[in-house]
This record gives sequence, structure tokens and C-alpha cells, in this order.
Amino acid sequence: QQQVKQSPQSLIVQKGGISIINCAYENTAFDYFPWYQQFPGKGPALLIAIRPDVSEKKEGRFTISFNKSAKQFSLHIMDSQPGDSATYFCAARGWSGGYQKVTFGIGTKLQVIP
Amino acid sequence: DAGITQSPRYKITETGRQVTLMCHQTWSHSYMFWYRQDLGHGLRLIYYSAAADITDKGEVPDGYVVSRSKTENFPLTLESATRSQTSVYFCASSESGGRVNTEAFFGQGTRLTVV
Repeated sequence: QQQVKQSPQSLIVQKGGISIINCAYENTAFDYFPWYQQFPGKGPALLIAIRPDVSEKKEGRFTISFNKSAKQFSLHIMDSQPGDSATYFCAARGWSGGYQKVTFGIGTKLQVIP
Repeated sequence: DAGITQSPRYKITETGRQVTLMCHQTWSHSYMFWYRQDLGHGLRLIYYSAAADITDKGEVPDGYVVSRSKTENFPLTLESATRSQTSVYFCASSESGGRVNTEAFFGQGTRLTVV
């Protein structure tokens, strides 16, 4: 049972273009939605995150759009660069028995071509 | 050095053998996690720990055992390795939850091959 659905699984974007990755969730109790970036051979690292009481968060070229009613959120990478080529994971934090648990999406492999 | 370290980075083992993956963090984070990463499945939670001596199952716990006697260490043991456990394993740690926007810090991963 996949609690966080992510699409597409792979994405090819030309340099300077906009990369868009979408995620959807079912559990309305999720209270924190981070995005992680992973380069080959490395562990994931936090890129940007949002709480559900905010509709948009921007950090540099990276923007999260959040639609609470639709239970969807997306990552936009503006002016995509070859250095952005990586795998991106959306995630959602929930709680079970008083302890936090973070569930990840399936990942999107982004390739930015010159 | 501060951070989270996993060992070994690469491991080849035979079916049926017991193998232990080590994870050590220097931040005194309360939470620690073990994930496996497989193509087409993303990151799946195996076990997590909210504090020393507190552990619980994640999505895919079968065939794995964890312990957390000290805050800084969170070893993962495959009791009898199977080929389906061939994967890249990531350990992560984070501060307590609540109102804190908790960032998870990941190790560099252990690539395990079961032959």
C-alpha cells in the first residue's frame, strides 16, 4: 500500500526548462511534506519542505506547491540545470503510537540535458 | 567527525548467512531509521527507533532484526539472508518530531548483494 504516490518515475528536461514532479497522498493526518534530492552513490538529502497550512514555498529555483483539498503537492524546478540531475523523493510525515514516521514516494529520476 | 556513518559500504554474502549492517550517528538524535532502496519501489522503511530501547516495524520488516541499546548506534541484522534482500540500505537519523520540522539525515548507504 503506497501512501505517497509520486509521478513521473523518470523525467528528461532541457537545460533552462521547468521540471515538475507530482505527489499525492491519502492520509490527512500527515503534517509535514519534505522533498529529498539524491545523487548517485549518495544518501538522500533534504531539499525543501512545506507544512500543510502553506500553499507555496520557494527556495531559489525550487518551489513546492501544496493543494490541501486535493491532497496533492508538487516540486517545480525553474531554469533546470544539468547539476540538478538526480533522483527526487517526495515524502510525508505521519504519526503512529506517538512516534513520527516518514513515508517516501517511489522517486523520480530527473535528467537535465544541455 | 560529526555525522552519520554506515558500515560496510559494500557487502556480498551467501544465502542463509547472518549479516549485520552498522549505523552510527554523532548528533544524539532521538530517531533512527533503516530504509531499503530498490528500483521501482523507492525508499521503504524497514524499522525505526524513537529512542534507545524503543523500536518498531516499518513497511517491510520481515527477515530483519534491529536493536538500539545506545542512542548513537542502530544495527540492522539479516538473520538468514535471502536473494530478495539484495538492495541498498540507508540508515537515517532525526531530531524529535512535534512542532519541529524534522530533517532526516541519511548515511551514504550499504550496497548488499546476496548470492
